[in-house]
Amino acid sequence: ETGVTQSPTHLIKTRGQQVTLRCSSQSGHNTVSWYQQALGQGPQFIFQYYREEENGRGNFPPRFSGLQFPNYSSELNVNALELDDSALYLCASSREVGRESYEQYFGPGTRLTVT
Amino acid sequence: AQSVTQLGSHVSVSEGALVLLRCNYSSSVPPYLFWYVQYPNQGLQLLLKYTSAATLVKGINGFEAEFKKSETSFHLTKPSAHMSDAAEYFCAVSDHNRGSTLGRLYFGRGTQLTVWP
Repeated sequence: ETGVTQSPTHLIKTRGQQVTLRCSSQSGHNTVSWYQQALGQGPQFIFQYYREEENGRGNFPPRFSGLQFPNYSSELNVNALELDDSALYLCASSREVGRESYEQYFGPGTRLTVT
Repeated sequence: AQSVTQLGSHVSVSEGALVLLRCNYSSSVPPYLFWYVQYPNQGLQLLLKYTSAATLVKGINGFEAEFKKSETSFHLTKPSAHMSDAAEYFCAVSDHNRGSTLGRLYFGRGTQLTVWP
């Protein structure tokens, strides 16, 4: 069984640019959540995708957007990058049964540096 | 609203000593609670979870946590620390009952555990 994978591992961008991060969910999982972890902080919820639709959003501006594909993989897009967007971006997948979501399994993260 | 407070951003213990990492939560619904561990330059690994069954939860690597509703606490313990336990530990609460979002996690700020030889 393949775990959650993310690409790229590291990324350096300039302020104002756009970035796309990718996540492949664990086999059998239909829900993907994205988190931002700033240095020295706990992860903060960005949004969640379930059956290819956004299913809840945290306190992040609209320049943070995402997609989920039919194979349940996902992308996180960030437009107009700001210095404060520098962080570790974590993807987590889970399996939803009924209205319950089982525990979330995290990928290794993508380290984004904005200069 | 859900929130988590981890008391102590840094904890240091000697190898073989008791590990105690503190977590208090706030939740408007019966909580699901989790402890995750993060090693340097890695993602989060689930140590254990509480989902309204037994209040004493056993996890991987010899860790356990006890849910105490009256104290709104979910402290993580391990009887004897190993050097390999050195990592950052995060407590999290889920909003699993909140309709639209399936199990969104609210994390504490983390506790860095150092183990001295």
